[in-house]
Amino acid sequence: QVQLQESGPGLVKPSETLSLTCAVSGGSISSTDWWSWVRQPPGKGLEWIGEIYHTGSTNYNPSLRSRVTMSVDKSKNQFSLNLSSVTAADTAVYYCARKSLGNNFDYWGQGTLVTVSS
Amino acid sequence: QTVVTQEPSLTVSPGGTATLTCASSSGAVTSTYHPSWFQQKPGQPPRPLIYSLNNKHSWTPAHFSASLLGGKAALTLSGVQPEDEAEYYCLLYYGVAWVFGGGTKLTVL
Repeated sequence: QVQLQESGPGLVKPSETLSLTCAVSGGSISSTDWWSWVRQPPGKGLEWIGEIYHTGSTNYNPSLRSRVTMSVDKSKNQFSLNLSSVTAADTAVYYCARKSLGNNFDYWGQGTLVTVSS
Repeated sequence: QTVVTQEPSLTVSPGGTATLTCASSSGAVTSTYHPSWFQQKPGQPPRPLIYSLNNKHSWTPAHFSASLLGGKAALTLSGVQPEDEAEYYCLLYYGVAWVFGGGTKLTVL
């Protein structure tokens, strides 16, 4: 069974870059799946951030595209999210998820809370 | 900016039927939007229920079903149970980007 685990700093200062990693176990990041990031501000709804394929191909949320970069590390079977120039509005629980064939967002990490504050 | 709209809240009695809908600001929802549905309870990650319109996961309860209804994607819970009380989110595909609905808070009362 595939398992996803997010990791990274829980506190980021305004204007800095938020960096998170999602470790994949029970499956290969080089499979035919896409790997996604989704976030949820406290008490609010879900927002799709973007996705990456193991070749490095990406699709990003247009509203975040100018600040988002995703990457894959095949040697570590993990993928990463960088979000630059963060503000308090970027405070959220960040989830990583797998999108398998059939546009199936089937496996999700437990999420990690990132707070943007000085 | 595309907006996906869900009912903010619904209340249903145990044993009753609840239909949650998911509308797109760009027009009628069709199968090409690959509607997905997720259930989320407090402090937990979203739990996938439905993908690509009406495909269930192995863990999706049998009393959940999904369809297109009046130009919207719909999730129907037949014979609602107390444990179905949760927030439900739909997700639609727009070319290369995905957009979540704002969520429906389902109360079983």
